[in-house]
Amino acid sequence: GAGVSQSPSNKVTEKGKDVELRCDPISGHTALYWYRQSLGQGLEFLIYFQGNSAPDKSGLPSDRFSAERTGGSVSTLTIQRTQQEDSAVYLCASSPRVTGYTFGSGTRLTVV
Amino acid sequence: GENVEQHPSTLSVQEGDSAVIKCTYSDSASNYFPWYKQELGKRPQLIIDIRSNVGEKKDQRIAVTLNKTAKHFSLHITETQPEDSAVYFCAASKGSSASKIIFGSGTRLSIRP
Repeated sequence: GAGVSQSPSNKVTEKGKDVELRCDPISGHTALYWYRQSLGQGLEFLIYFQGNSAPDKSGLPSDRFSAERTGGSVSTLTIQRTQQEDSAVYLCASSPRVTGYTFGSGTRLTVV
Repeated sequence: GENVEQHPSTLSVQEGDSAVIKCTYSDSASNYFPWYKQELGKRPQLIIDIRSNVGEKKDQRIAVTLNKTAKHFSLHITETQPEDSAVYFCAASKGSSASKIIFGSGTRLSIRP
């Protein structure tokens, strides 16, 4: 596609449930990133995939968060046993080797 | 790891005046510094970037400057217009290939008519 696609655009879930967020990067982009943005706040780095290298998971806030990237393309961010503090917009971005990111439009997660 | 600090957190300027946003970074190995603009309810979008081999870059009303010695970089917007109102994020990363970008905390810029 023309840009980074994320789904769903909005997700409301009950506390304690698991959720999966999907990101389709721009075709040919080798790098994929997940960020979290709480209301009115900055961009918190979560995880980074680069080609076939081991992902940089240093930003994941707890072991309830995990992500995978299949076939070097689509990525899924999974949050287990969701808590209210997980409510935020989850942004995915992709980039080719030497230029800046293109962000998706995000998934707004609300935990009730 | 890299730490990026951004000031001010909010900035209000009269339409037509200039706006300056400043950032500092901690990792001297960082060599790529993009700026993103995020309008309300929308995704961040890259507006300009600079690499460590240059000290200044301009694109119409927007310019970025970089002082590697002091580990400072700044965004300058001249002749501000209402559509410049947004949150602006500076960022830093290292390596010539795509790598993790660390963002500043953002500056909410408001343009007064």
